[in-house]
Amino acid sequence: QKEVEQNSGPLSVPEGAIASLNCTYSDRGSQSFFWYRQYSGKSPELIMFIYSNGDKEDGRFTAQLNKASQYVSLLIRDSQPSDSATYLCAATGGSQGNLIFGKGTKLSVKP
Amino acid sequence: EAQVTQNPRYLITVTGKKLTVTCSQNMNHEYMSWYRQDPGLGLRQIYYSMNVEVTDKGDVPEGYKVSRKEKRNFPLILESPSPNQTSLYFCASSPYQGYDNEQFFGPGTRLTVL
Repeated sequence: QKEVEQNSGPLSVPEGAIASLNCTYSDRGSQSFFWYRQYSGKSPELIMFIYSNGDKEDGRFTAQLNKASQYVSLLIRDSQPSDSATYLCAATGGSQGNLIFGKGTKLSVKP
Repeated sequence: EAQVTQNPRYLITVTGKKLTVTCSQNMNHEYMSWYRQDPGLGLRQIYYSMNVEVTDKGDVPEGYKVSRKEKRNFPLILESPSPNQTSLYFCASSPYQGYDNEQFFGPGTRLTVL
C-alpha cells in the first residue's frame, strides 16, 4: 500500500517564526510532490509542488525534497496567524500518477 | 471565473435513498476525481476519470458509481447510501493526469446519511 505519512500535530509556532512541516512517502516511484493548505471546512488549495531534489522557494514558502530519504518538507518563514490551517502533503503514485494524500498536519500560529 | 462547482453543498438523507452529487468544471480539464475526507483518515480517492467515457476506481470505490458523459461533468452516485458514507466529499480536476499537475478542488459537499 502506497502511503504518505505526516505528523498530525498540532504544531504550534509563534508569529514571525519558521514553521517546519514534514512528510515521508513509501513509493520510490513517486515523481512529484504537492503541498496543499486547507482551512477548516474548506477545500484544499495548492501552495506549491516540487519534483527535483533540493529546494524550491515561492515567497515565504520553501519546499524541500530528498528522494534518497523519501522525505519532503515545507518551511513557512515569518509565520502569520492566517497561516493557521491543516497542511496536506501529496505524492503521485501508481501507474496513473494519481495523488496520494497524507492525513495532514495542523498548524497553529499564535499572535 | 475558472472553477469547480459541486451541488448540493450540504445534504442530509436517509439510508437507501439514492442520491447524486454533481460536479462541473469550466476549465476544459481532462482529468477529474472524487475524494472523501474523514477525520483521522485524510483524503481518499473514490473514482477518477482520465477523459470522457474513461473512469476507474480509486482506493475506496465501494458503494459509489460515477459517469463521464461530458468533459465538464463528473457526477457521483450513491445508489443505496449507508451511514458509513457520511463524509465530506470533494471533486477535483486538472488539465491532464501528469506529474506536474495541480488539482483544483471544488468547495465540498457535506453528506450525512441517517
